[in-house]
Amino acid sequence: GESVGLHLPTLSVQEGDNSIINCAYSNSASDYFIWYKQESGKGPQFIIDIRSNMDKRQGQRVTVLLNKTVKHLSLQIAATQPGDSAVYFCAENAGGTSYGKLTFGQGTILTVHP
Amino acid sequence: NAGVTQTPKFQVLKTGQSMTLQCAQDMNHEYMSWYRQDPGMGLRLIHYSVGAGITDQGEVPNGYNVSRSTTEDFPLRLLSAAPSQTSVYFCASTRANTDTQYFGPGTRLTVL
Repeated sequence: GESVGLHLPTLSVQEGDNSIINCAYSNSASDYFIWYKQESGKGPQFIIDIRSNMDKRQGQRVTVLLNKTVKHLSLQIAATQPGDSAVYFCAENAGGTSYGKLTFGQGTILTVHP
Repeated sequence: NAGVTQTPKFQVLKTGQSMTLQCAQDMNHEYMSWYRQDPGMGLRLIHYSVGAGITDQGEVPNGYNVSRSTTEDFPLRLLSAAPSQTSVYFCASTRANTDTQYFGPGTRLTVL
């Protein structure tokens, strides 16, 4: 079946550095992608999303880049802080409205050292 | 708004027992979904609903039943719990014709 996967399962950075978390997807029909942050013992929290008609979208300290040619998206976190330590998931729909169905990647553990 | 709420937060069952995981949302979202999360893995879709009275299977539906009698509530039933159903369960809701899902805090279920 279609799936979303991550290149790096763990990432360790120093406080203040920029972090880049990568995600590969395989469903070329997907037209919506979303990044979630999950802290220990909590549910996933929305960070940022992007539609396939865009290649870049910026939020507060976060940027998502989408490369449809190679089916790759990334999450960039500027000036990473200890509070950013969490598991980050990318997810995709299967094209069109998701109707509440998203396919999630494995997740990347981000650890920020003070 | 409370958002998406789930009860209980923790539950321990014996093999063969049944139980219902509760999920409610107060955002008037049309779509609701249930996922399970196992260690080292992403979320996998169990069942979803696009509106009251309409449900459908996701990737891993076996052993679970759902119903959607109201827009607000989407309970997940385990008819005969098995150790393989030990997991963390997340409920999510989505506004119609959008894709952003909002998640509840999860229910940690252990089946002995």
